[in-house]
Amino acid sequence: QQQVRQSPQSLTVWEGETAILNCSYEDSTFDYFPWYHQFPGESPALLIAIRPVSNKKEDGRFTIFFNKREKKFSLHIADSQPGDSATYFCAASWGNNRIFFGDGTQLVVKP
Amino acid sequence: GALVYQYPRRTICKSGTSMRMECQAVGFQATSVAWYRQSPQKTFELIALSTVNSAIKYEQNFTQEKFPISHPNLSFSSMTVLNAYLEDRGLYLCGAREQQNTLYFGAGTRLSVL
Repeated sequence: QQQVRQSPQSLTVWEGETAILNCSYEDSTFDYFPWYHQFPGESPALLIAIRPVSNKKEDGRFTIFFNKREKKFSLHIADSQPGDSATYFCAASWGNNRIFFGDGTQLVVKP
Repeated sequence: GALVYQYPRRTICKSGTSMRMECQAVGFQATSVAWYRQSPQKTFELIALSTVNSAIKYEQNFTQEKFPISHPNLSFSSMTVLNAYLEDRGLYLCGAREQQNTLYFGAGTRLSVL
């Protein structure tokens, strides 16, 4: 059973729009939910993360919305820029145990 | 800041030979190190999770005999791919976790097998 599911698989938005990437998880004991982005030829880099004590986390144009009851969380990228084009991964973990990754969303921001 | 150095970035080995990759956490003490392989489709396969003072835990389809890992201290880990064949090709990533659970990835080692 896949622990973390991510959608959509690919997303195209115009420059200036808000891109919304979605994730759901299975294990209600997960207590750490990061998002990573990966540019071609590079390794994944941590973008932003949230813990279930909050239902929202903002960092500049990036915002995580977290819904503990529905076991869902999403990444909103406001005022999308072509430089945001990358593959985005959501993930979840509990304590110091393994991190489960989603399968990624390939985001393309068109100028 | 927290950094994870991983080397080499790329390596080519002949079929049946072995290669070793190394990972070093800088600026923090890694409470655990995870080794992943990323497929061409970008999905992550966890190879093993190594927590200091605990046994290294390998995931299904990965074994210590094929991917021996050394994790001697809080900042350094290495993994060897023994008897590499075509199916072992890919991007190998080491991820080091700090006490706040944040996982930082190294730059990755891309393995090609001839």
